Amino acid sequence: QSVLTQPPSVSGAPGQRVTISCTGRSSNFGAGYDVHWYQQLPGTAPKLLIYRNTNRPSGVPDRFSGSKSGTSATLAITGLQAEDEADYYCQSYDNSLSGCWVFGGGTKLTVL
Amino acid sequence: QVQLLESGPGLVKPSQTLSLTCTVSGDSINSDHYYWSWIRQPPGKGLEWIGYIYYSGTTYYNPSLKSRVTISLDTSKNQFSLSLSSVTAADTAVYYCARGPPNGGTNFDYWGQGTLVTVSS
Repeated sequence: QSVLTQPPSVSGAPGQRVTISCTGRSSNFGAGYDVHWYQQLPGTAPKLLIYRNTNRPSGVPDRFSGSKSGTSATLAITGLQAEDEADYYCQSYDNSLSGCWVFGGGTKLTVL
Repeated sequence: QVQLLESGPGLVKPSQTLSLTCTVSGDSINSDHYYWSWIRQPPGKGLEWIGYIYYSGTTYYNPSLKSRVTISLDTSKNQFSLSLSSVTAADTAVYYCARGPPNGGTNFDYWGQGTLVTVSS
């Protein structure tokens, strides 16, 4: 079981807005550590999508946005496109035990 | 443009040692700006951080793998390497090398394409 909890799947029609949740704990988000989001297209390596909660790397469309509050974080995608169909992972640092970089279990986004 | 490329055997026998190398271009691993990590993904499953190395040689490993993992670097070749000992079928995964976390940060910004390592006799 992942330290960060994501829904296994979400779906939406083209043009719609979808959100993906990521629930953490007092040892990661609650301790003030940032959340980052990655997009993994089929058969490819993960790509950094959102860093430090709300920031987009150069080249990432502004249709993608992130937020974090307390022990939860959310990735929002507006104007959904077929090319957005992918797996999405949240990631943070967890200071329980000896400390570790941790990922959510991933969410499969299906564009209907 | 930063690029990372993993290399190594695609098949390892149970109980043996898995060894992979990551070659970095577009950045120097001999810098205090970033740590350099290994991350793996079993087929059809999620991502697991394995460990990192710093230009100074400082390493830090996932506590769940610590007893079997060694990460080293070769600054002359701008490479860093992973060794995972006593492998079992549960170690079958795509292994990625990545740049990160940055000094003072917690994300991974550039990833290699990944290499599939299968543990089987």
